[in-house]
Amino acid sequence: QKEVEQDPGPLSVPEGAIVSLNCTYSNSAFQYFMWYRQYSRKGPELLMYTYSSGNKEDGRFTAQVDKSSKYISLFIRDSQPSDSATYLCAMSASLYTGNQFYFGTGTSLTVIP
Amino acid sequence: DTAVSQTPKYLVTQMGNDKSIKCEQNLGHDTMYWYKQDSKKFLKIMFSYNNKELIINETVPNRFSPKSPDKAHLNLHINSLELGDSAVYFCASSQEQGIGYGYTFGSGTRLTVV
Repeated sequence: QKEVEQDPGPLSVPEGAIVSLNCTYSNSAFQYFMWYRQYSRKGPELLMYTYSSGNKEDGRFTAQVDKSSKYISLFIRDSQPSDSATYLCAMSASLYTGNQFYFGTGTSLTVIP
Repeated sequence: DTAVSQTPKYLVTQMGNDKSIKCEQNLGHDTMYWYKQDSKKFLKIMFSYNNKELIINETVPNRFSPKSPDKAHLNLHINSLELGDSAVYFCASSQEQGIGYGYTFGSGTRLTVV
C-alpha cells in the first residue's frame, strides 16, 4: 500500500467552478502537508504548505488538513484555465534533513474556458 | 536566472548504455535530491545529499550512482540502462531547516531507453 493515495482523475471543470482535490494517507506521523502544481513538461512548484490540522487560505486556494481522518484537501475557487495542471500532494513526518516527503500520484485538472 | 537547472532536458539512448544527468542549483540550498517520476506521475525519491554528504539512499539499483562535487551540484550517473529506467528524473533542492518552504524542482530530464 502506498503511503499516500490520490485520485489521478482526470478532472475536467468549467471555468469559474470550485475544484476539490483530495489525498488520503496511512502514516499517522505525518505532520507537514504540501500541495504542488505541475504544468506539462515542467517540474512541480509549491502551492501551499500547512502544518498539522486546520485550514490555510491563499487567494483562490484553500488547503485543509484533517489528521483524525488522515485526509487532506485543496480547494480552488473561481477556477481559471491557467489552473489546468497536475496537482500533487506531499507530506512528511518531519522538517529535518533526511526525512523525505511522500508524494501522491497527482490529479490531472483541466479547466475549460 | 534558473534556480535549479538540469541537463539534458531530453535523453534518448539504447539499452546497455551509460549516461549522466547533471543538476545545479544557485539558491544556496544545503540539500539536493533526485526524484524519479514514472508514467503515472508518481514521484519517488531516489537520493538526497546534504552538503555533499549522502543522506537518503532509497532502494534503487546500484546502477544508479549520485555524485555531489559541491553543495550546488548533484549529478546522477546510470550504468547499463534498462527499458524500465525510462521516466522523468527531477532534481530538487531545499534549505536544510526550511523544508517547510518545500523543494524547488528543476524542469526534469525525460529519459527514454530504447
